[in-house]
This record gives sequence, structure tokens and C-alpha cells, in this order.
Amino acid sequence: SAVISQKPSRDICQRGTSLTIQCQVDSQVTMMFWYRQQPGQSLTLIATANQGSEATYESGFVIDKFPISRPNLTFSTLTVSNMSPEDSSIYLCSVGEGANQPQHFGDGTRLSIL
Amino acid sequence: SQQGEEDPQALSIQEGENATMNCSYKTSINNLQWYRQNSGRGLVHLILIRSNEREKHSGRLRVTLDTSKKSSSLLITASRAADTASYFCATDDGNNRLAFGKGNQVVVIP
Repeated sequence: SAVISQKPSRDICQRGTSLTIQCQVDSQVTMMFWYRQQPGQSLTLIATANQGSEATYESGFVIDKFPISRPNLTFSTLTVSNMSPEDSSIYLCSVGEGANQPQHFGDGTRLSIL
Repeated sequence: SQQGEEDPQALSIQEGENATMNCSYKTSINNLQWYRQNSGRGLVHLILIRSNEREKHSGRLRVTLDTSKKSSSLLITASRAADTASYFCATDDGNNRLAFGKGNQVVVIP
């Protein structure tokens, strides 16, 4: 399976600031996704990162808060904007290769907002 | 998207014992996937079972799927201390967007 690298692995940020998380894959992949895992909770899909076009956001998530880029088939970024303590979570990217193929996840970015 | 939901239990078992956890979901699925997460790190993919499959094995793991009951189970046989982790099921409705269950925490005591 593809090797997925996320940067940074963790960060502590001040409220009101923004942070961009990078997801790099070692091979071209069809689909890339971004998930959030709040403390002690399960994962929730934020959006599908579409190559060369705007991301597709799930209900409850908006582009102004979580802008996403995907300039090519191996790279995507998620920005968490104007952060508040409620944004403290693990953010994970995943990649998929189509129908009935497993999705694989990066190690995640643990974000704490003070 | 539909939500996979595990039975809300934390399992604590002795090394060598079997661990079983269950997952239920609400709507039609294309496949169901099980993942392991160690200490809040990334997820490791364990098994994918398609909607037309009833059982699947991978090493010490056995997954069943009952689409009539909209439920799945994950069995870990002969558990080891290294199996201590959180286990999540996730359903794919055919659009490759995963809906995760709440997760089961398993502690294997050496």
C-alpha cells in the first residue's frame, strides 16, 4: 500500500491563528480524504480532496474554515483557519484507489489550541 | 452518510484469549472496513469485507458480515499484548466516504 506522510505530526497553536497540514503520498492515488478525530471520539469525514478542483465538504464543514488544496495526485493540504480550542483534534488524511479498495491513513496531526 | 456503531464496550482480556467486538449500521453499504488505532496515532487497515461476502479471514482476524441484520463482528484469536488498541469499523456506501463507528478499546493483559 501507499506510504502516506503527514506534516507536522503535532503542533500547539494560539487561538485565532491558522495551520496548514500537509499530506504526501509516495505514489499517485485516485482519492484523498481528510478526517477529524476529536479527543476520545471517532473519526468524522471533513471533505474529499479533488485533484484540480474544489474539495467536496461534508455537512458541518465549510471551505472558509477548512480550505483544502490538491494540486496533483500525490499531495494535499488542509488548513485549519482561525483556530479555537474546539479545533483541538487529530487530523488525518487517507487515500483510496476506488470501489471496494481499502483506504489507508497517515499517522495524523495532533493539534492543540491554547 | 450512514454511521457504523460498535457495541460501546471496553474489553479487558488475558493474553491468549479471544476478543470479539461488534458493529451495526443503519443503511445499505458497499463494503465495511475494520481498523486498529494505537494510542491516538494513525489508523491501520485490518480487513475489508464486501457487501456480498459473509466472512473473511486474515491471520488471527476473522470478520463476519450480516447484511440482513446490518451488523459485523471482528474476532481476534489468541490475543497478544500488542493487540492492545482501539478498533473501529467504517462503512462505505459506494462513494468511498467512510462513516466510522465509535470504536472499541481492547486491553490485552500479559
